[in-house]
Amino acid sequence: QQQVKQSPQSLIVQKGGIPIINCAYENTAFDYFPWYQQFPGKGPALLIAIRPDVSEKKEGRFTISFNKSAKQFSLHIMDSQPGDSATYFCAAGGGSNQFYFGTGTSLTVIP
Amino acid sequence: GAGVSQTPSNKVTEKGKYVELRCDPISGHTALYWYRQSLGQGPEFLIYFQGTGAADDSGLPNDRFFAVRPEGSVSTLKIQRTERGDSAVYLCASSFGGREYTEQFFGPGTRLTVL
Repeated sequence: QQQVKQSPQSLIVQKGGIPIINCAYENTAFDYFPWYQQFPGKGPALLIAIRPDVSEKKEGRFTISFNKSAKQFSLHIMDSQPGDSATYFCAAGGGSNQFYFGTGTSLTVIP
Repeated sequence: GAGVSQTPSNKVTEKGKYVELRCDPISGHTALYWYRQSLGQGPEFLIYFQGTGAADDSGLPNDRFFAVRPEGSVSTLKIQRTERGDSAVYLCASSFGGREYTEQFFGPGTRLTVL
């Protein structure tokens, strides 16, 4: 059973657009929600993370929106650039150091 | 400083063979994790070490998989009697560990292909 559901599977936007990637979870024990960026042939790298006591967190052009009651969270990339083209994974953790990852979103930013 | 390194970067083996995959974590990181990433999927947790001991091995799929970290630094993931379904990228990550979540730094992975 997929602990974290992620959508869309792929996304294409124009340079300057705002891609949005959504994730949903069921386990209310989760209390840490990171987003990772992965380029081909590389390991995932942490972008930004949020805890459920806040509804939004911004770091540079990346924003996480968190809806605790709906058990959903999303990543917004402001002013997207071709260099942002990568696969993005949401994840959730709670009670241990094990993370549950979503299935990934392949983002392409067209110049 | 150096990041997490993994060797080999690619490993091709035949069904039924034994393989070892190595992970060198970032110096000073006490926590080490192994994940498996199949094509088009997110990383799937296998095992977590805090120091030398396996704190959580609930993700190991069966007893053909085993991992060690004898001196609390380098770790080796061992797979016996490999099967074609074991083909995936095996990722290692390390962190400072502790009770609060800390950033997990991932290595580039080892791509295992079982023929």
